[in-house]
Order: sequence, then C-alpha cells, then structure tokens
Amino acid sequence: NAGVTQTPKFQVLKTGQSMTLQCAQDMNHNSMYWYRQDPGMGLRLIYYSASEGTTDKGEVPNGYNVSRLNKREFSLRLESAAPSQTSVYFCASREGTESFGSGTRLTVV
Amino acid sequence: GNSVTQMEGPVTLSEEAFLTINCTYTATGYPSLFWYVQYPGEGLQLLLKATKADDKGSNKGFEATYRKETTSFHLEKGSVQVSDSAVYFCALSPLYNFNKFYFGSGTKLNVKP
Repeated sequence: NAGVTQTPKFQVLKTGQSMTLQCAQDMNHNSMYWYRQDPGMGLRLIYYSASEGTTDKGEVPNGYNVSRLNKREFSLRLESAAPSQTSVYFCASREGTESFGSGTRLTVV
Repeated sequence: GNSVTQMEGPVTLSEEAFLTINCTYTATGYPSLFWYVQYPGEGLQLLLKATKADDKGSNKGFEATYRKETTSFHLEKGSVQVSDSAVYFCALSPLYNFNKFYFGSGTKLNVKP
C-alpha cells in the first residue's frame, strides 16, 4: 500500500524554467491537495481538488497551475519558475482520514 | 479570517518530562482542530483531532482539548520520549469548507535522553 506518492523528491531549476510535480494516491480518495512548506510559515494551501474534474485555488495559487488527471493523479505545474518558489511541496489526499506524500524539495536558482 | 498561532520553538526537554505546546486559533464559527506531526524527511501525519467544543482528541499518549472560550487547542503529553522528537503543527479546518486547512508555523520538539 503506497499511499501518496510524489515525484521527484528533489529538483533544481533555473529561473524561468518550467516543470510539473507529480502526485498519485492509491486510496481511492476524492479530495487531493498541494501545499508548500516554508521555514517558519507552516503549510500553505496552493490548490485543491475536491473531486475528479474540479480544482480550486487555495491560499497561495499565483504562479502555479494544477490538473486533476483522474481520481488517482493530481499534478502541480510551474510555468516559469521564480526563486520565490523555492520550497518543499507536499501533496495530500483525504477521505475521512488524510495522507501526505513525503515531499518534493524544489530549489530555483 | 482563519489563522492558527503556535508557540515558537524549538522546545527542548529531557526524556519523561511533561510537554505542552500552545495553540490558539481565529476562525468564523466552530472549526475542526487538528495536530499533525512531521518526522525528519517525511510528510505530515495526523496525530489527533477534535471537531467540537470540549472534545478531547488523544493518540499515542498525546492529548488536546478543544476550548471554545479561550479559542485554544494545546497539545500535552505526560512523559515524552526521544522518539517524540519531531515538528508539531496545529491546524484548523473551517466549518464552511473542510477542504481548506490552515496550519500554524510548527513547533520543533527535541527530546534528550
């Protein structure tokens, strides 16, 4: 039982490059989330998807896009990376109980 | 608006000491309240939760009581172990939208043998 799987675990980007963070869950959860974690600021919600085919903005959506590809997968895309997007990104899914992935550490130089 | 304030860390304790990590919140109505724990290099794990006033959440020796009158949800444990060393996050989920979680900034706990 893998739970929530995020890829990649680490990534270094140059300013202006694009990339997609992948997330998949095997628990048949309807709701999925993307958070970023910055020192001293806890987790902040970027986007969420309450069910397949729907997405909504969270607290800090600027500079990001998401796709709920199917019930299992929820990807986060940075179209033009900026140093301010250096962070640790967590994907989570929820249906009663909640599970988090182990995170993606992204550095934008 | 919605927000969560936690005591700043790090908190350093000796094994078997009593632990309190303070958490207060601001919210519209009566939110659900949560404590999460994050071990090094891992994602967050739900530790305990409470969904209404005066509820007590408990798990693995940790407890927290939902206090509406003081808008607090302090985390306590009677006797900490080295294995409890981690970062602890308090969070709330508003009554009107359970998909929107608001997290505190986290409190790092170091337990020394």
